[in-house]
Amino acid sequence: GNSVTQMEGPVTLSEEAFLTINCTYTATGYLSLFWYVQYPGEGLQLLLKATKADDKGSNKGFEATYRKETTSFHLEKGSVQVSDSAVYFCALISYYGNNRLAFGKGNQVVVIP
Amino acid sequence: EPEVTQTPSHQVTQMGQEVILRCVPISNHLYFYWYRQILGQKVEFLVSFYNNEISEKSEIFDDQFSVERPDGSNFTLKIRSTKLEDSAMYFCASSDATSGGYNEQFFGPGTRLTVL
Repeated sequence: GNSVTQMEGPVTLSEEAFLTINCTYTATGYLSLFWYVQYPGEGLQLLLKATKADDKGSNKGFEATYRKETTSFHLEKGSVQVSDSAVYFCALISYYGNNRLAFGKGNQVVVIP
Repeated sequence: EPEVTQTPSHQVTQMGQEVILRCVPISNHLYFYWYRQILGQKVEFLVSFYNNEISEKSEIFDDQFSVERPDGSNFTLKIRSTKLEDSAMYFCASSDATSGGYNEQFFGPGTRLTVL
């Protein structure tokens, strides 16, 4: 079945630092890729998405590019703020067979002032 | 902005008891889902629901689980006889009819279920 792998462990960084969270996937068929964010005490919110290869999703200064050749969808932000502290989930959906989202394990991001 | 709501936010129950988790999806959405996240693990798909019937379910969704849309707004998940391993955060989600449901899913805040 489809699977998503995110880098291990929480990410702690200082305000204005560059953030990268790696996401790779194993899946077949026509895919859409997503990053969801979960702020403390809240549900999962869609951060950005890409619906075809080489598409770049962007929102709130975050970007991710759907790279079919490397089966990756890494999340980046050039200058993080304390308010970006949250858990970030990479996810995908395959257009063939079912419409279930497959999630990565999530990464806790802590931004220190 | 429309949002998915879930009640209760936290449910504590004894092993073997029945629980019903409630969700109100976004009003014009047609596809409904339940996911769960056991502490420290991935968010896992449980079931999807469309046109008043289950369209897909995972291997987790056994005979102890059922879903229902009892009226035009609510979507419920019932666990008939809870086990310790059912302790998790349960998320409801919904999506619209764009791309046949293969589009972003909007999530509720979750219900934390604790089975003692």
